[in-house]
Amino acid sequence: KNQVEQSPQSLIILEGKNCTLQCNYTVSPFSNLRWYKQDTGRGPVSLTIMTFSENTKSNGRYTATLDADTKQSSLHITASQLSDSASYICVVSARSGGSYIPTFGRGTSLIVHP
Amino acid sequence: DSGVTQTPKHLITATGQRVTLRCSPRSGDLSVYWYQQSLDQGLQFLIQYYNGEERAKGNILERFSAQQFPDLHSELNLSSLELGDSALYFCASSLNLGGPYNEQFFGPGTRLTVL
Repeated sequence: KNQVEQSPQSLIILEGKNCTLQCNYTVSPFSNLRWYKQDTGRGPVSLTIMTFSENTKSNGRYTATLDADTKQSSLHITASQLSDSASYICVVSARSGGSYIPTFGRGTSLIVHP
Repeated sequence: DSGVTQTPKHLITATGQRVTLRCSPRSGDLSVYWYQQSLDQGLQFLIQYYNGEERAKGNILERFSAQQFPDLHSELNLSSLELGDSALYFCASSLNLGGPYNEQFFGPGTRLTVL
């Protein structure tokens, strides 16, 4: 069964600090891995996407890494801001015929304090 | 604003009832996806339609059904509702059928409460 595990479940940091969120997956056959940011009560917004051959992808202060051998990914947030407070969700998609089936992690809830 | 619209925003109903959730994709997008997000399960993929045809199925219950119309809007029908169906239901749309760089844009969601 395809699974995506994220850690930590929740994280509290001070504004301006860096943090790293983890994602481990067992999804096959692997197609791509995305990180989403979801504000409370709103739809997820894509931050980064990586395929098998990519091991780093940046989007402003967000940098995602992918180790396809160990099936691990991380999302690093640099110089955190209050607006970074949200849930961060790792999604790994498997190729199934002509379609792509996503498996979602439970998310890491990040709170940034002033 | 993602460009994806969902109605209604909130829906309160009773067990055993049937409801319909509506989604309008971004202009030009051919794929529509439905997701369920509950507190205990997180986000789960339900079903995908592409240009009017069902293309992928996830953890969708038999009591649930969906369709995509010629104008590309989609509806998710939930019947014989149970307390456990209470959740946020998201619709997303994308330009193409799939692929690593086929970005999905999520709507604001419909919050369903079953009493």
